[in-house]
Amino acid sequence: EVQLVQSGAEVKKPGESLKISCKGSGYSFTSYWIGWVRQMPGKGLEWMGIIYPGDSDTRYSPSFQGQVTISADKSISTAYLQWSSLKASDTAMYYCARLIPLLYYYDPWGQGTLVTVSS
Amino acid sequence: SYELTQPLSVSVALGQTARITCGGNNIGSKNVHWYQQKPGQAPVLVIYRDSNRPSGIPERFSGSNSGNTATLTISRAQAGDEADYYCQVWDSSTLFGGGTKLTVL
Repeated sequence: EVQLVQSGAEVKKPGESLKISCKGSGYSFTSYWIGWVRQMPGKGLEWMGIIYPGDSDTRYSPSFQGQVTISADKSISTAYLQWSSLKASDTAMYYCARLIPLLYYYDPWGQGTLVTVSS
Repeated sequence: SYELTQPLSVSVALGQTARITCGGNNIGSKNVHWYQQKPGQAPVLVIYRDSNRPSGIPERFSGSNSGNTATLTISRAQAGDEADYYCQVWDSSTLFGGGTKLTVL
């Protein structure tokens, strides 16, 4: 079974750093792009960027370029999303998802990681 | 930049047919994908490439795409179909529609 399992919920203070993870299993992790999607409370899905774990090629949405860093460690089939200095506005649910090549849809999705930033 | 437009909400009577639209300039030339998101859950793919159902998705879910509108159709709507639905295309990057809340009355 193809599966993406994300790390658990986080509560952080403004200015702190954070790295959340997404571990793939049941498929060749290095052969598919992994995307990250933000969902702020009560809002829709926002695409943040994608990474190809095979060579760490990374693309960012202009809205998130410079705000977050996407990385991957192919040796442990894990992708990451990190912040160097969190803001209250980063409070959201974050999903990773596998990007299907050629047709460019996402399947499956991770269960989500809730990040809460509050003083 | 390319934009996708969805109605904020759609209501359907139990057992009737719901249609959720996704508008975009010449969207018929693109592959459109649809996701269902129930409260507190991650999105789930329900239609890919306009009209294809992944395994495990009921035949009640269907899709079409032509001109400037793609449509997700849910036949014989059930209470369990209440959810937010998002369309998505690839236009050099991933684009999502704003989402539609489906209410089953």
